[in-house]
Amino acid sequence: NAGVTQTPKFRVLKTGQSMTLLCAQDMNHEYMYWYRQDPGMGLRLIHYSVGEGTTAKGEVPDGYNVSRLKKQNFLLGLESAAPSQTSVYFCASSYYQYGYTFGSGTRLTVV
Amino acid sequence: EDKVVQSPLSLVVHEGDTVTLNCSYEVTNFRSLLWYKQEKKAPTFLFMLTSSGIEKKSGRLSSILDKKELFSILNITATQTGDSAVYLCAGLGGGSTLGRLYFGRGTQLTVWP
Repeated sequence: NAGVTQTPKFRVLKTGQSMTLLCAQDMNHEYMYWYRQDPGMGLRLIHYSVGEGTTAKGEVPDGYNVSRLKKQNFLLGLESAAPSQTSVYFCASSYYQYGYTFGSGTRLTVV
Repeated sequence: EDKVVQSPLSLVVHEGDTVTLNCSYEVTNFRSLLWYKQEKKAPTFLFMLTSSGIEKKSGRLSSILDKKELFSILNITATQTGDSAVYLCAGLGGGSTLGRLYFGRGTQLTVWP
């Protein structure tokens, strides 16, 4: 049982490049989330999804897009990366408000 | 605006000391308060508190919620170097925000031998 898997684990981008972070869960969870964590900060919600085909904005959505075409996958896209998006990104999933499970994180550096 | 505030932001103690971490919250349609421990990687779950006044314990860690005063505390007794980590508190919303966690900035705990 893999839980929540994030790929890639590390990435370096140049300013203006695009990329997609993949989050996959095998727990049949309805809800999925993308957070970012910066030094000295807690986790801040970027976007989330309460079911297949649905997405919603969190606290810090600007510069990011998401898609949930399949229940088990939640993709986070950066169309034109900026240095301010250098961060550690965590994906999480839950069965409604229960069983919150985090992935191991993706460390992204934008130069 | 929903928010969670933790104090202190950092704490340095010696092994064997007892520490108390604080968390106050203002979360719309509040459901529960969660505590996590984070050591370099993903947060790991410690406690979920839903009812006021009922202490939850796990070994040397314990936590309690006060829904009237909107705060929670996490106690760690007889601290060990392995307790060094960031401790995150999060409020779980309900209603239209069901499932959303609102995190505090965390308390960085350092335990010296």
